[in-house]
Amino acid sequence: GAVVSQHPSRVICKSGTSVKIECRSLDFQATTMFWYRQFPKQSLMLMATSNEGSKATYEQGVEKDKFLINHASLTLSTLTVTSAHPEDSSFYICSARLPGPKPYEQYFGPGTRLTVT
Amino acid sequence: GDSVTQMEGPVTLSEEAFLTINCTYTATGYPSLFWYVQYPGEGLQLLLKATKADDKGSNKGFEATYRKETTSFHLEKGSVQVSDSAVYFCALSGGGDGYNKLIFGAGTRLAVHP
Repeated sequence: GAVVSQHPSRVICKSGTSVKIECRSLDFQATTMFWYRQFPKQSLMLMATSNEGSKATYEQGVEKDKFLINHASLTLSTLTVTSAHPEDSSFYICSARLPGPKPYEQYFGPGTRLTVT
Repeated sequence: GDSVTQMEGPVTLSEEAFLTINCTYTATGYPSLFWYVQYPGEGLQLLLKATKADDKGSNKGFEATYRKETTSFHLEKGSVQVSDSAVYFCALSGGGDGYNKLIFGAGTRLAVHP
C-alpha cells in the first residue's frame, strides 16, 4: 500500500527557534498533501492543504507566516514552524492523497511530536 | 460547518467481547463517512467507508452502516482481539466543506485485554 513517512518523529526545540518537519510519499506521487495538528484527546484539525508547485491553502485561524509549507516536489512537503513558542507544542500529522477520483483516500504519516521549551 | 462527534474513551474490553463505538455527524449535503484506525506508532489507516445512505462498510470483521435518518455511523465488531487495540477515528468528507477535507471526530481509544 501507499506509505507516507515523516521526519523527525520527535523534536524538542527552544522557544524562538524554527523547526522543519518533512513529509514524504515513499512509493507514489502525491499532488496534494495535507497538514494536521492534533491536541491531546482531541480531533485532528486540518491546518493547510498543499499542492505541488503552488502556494498552500491555509484553514481559517492558521497563521501562514508562522507555519510555512513548501511542496516542492511530488513526493515531499515540509512544514516549518517559525519562532516556535510553547503553545505550538503539539502532534503534527501529514497525509498525502493519490491523484484520481477518490479524494478521501488520504494516506497518513506517523506524526511528529513537537515540544517547545 | 460540518462536524463529527464520537464517544469518549477509553473503551476497555476483554478479548472476544462485542464492540460498539458510537459516531454521529452534522453535515450539509450528502457526505461520505469513514472509520480510520491508528495503531501505536503508526499513521492513520482507512478501516472502512460508506458513500451513501444505507451503505454498510466492512473490513477485518468491523462494520458500520450509514444511517441518514439518525445521522450516525456506529462502528461494531462481534468479537474483538488484543490486536484491535488502537485509536479509532470517525470522519466525513463531501459535506458542506467539500471533498478535499476530512472532518474527524476526537478519536476513541480501544484497549482489549486477554
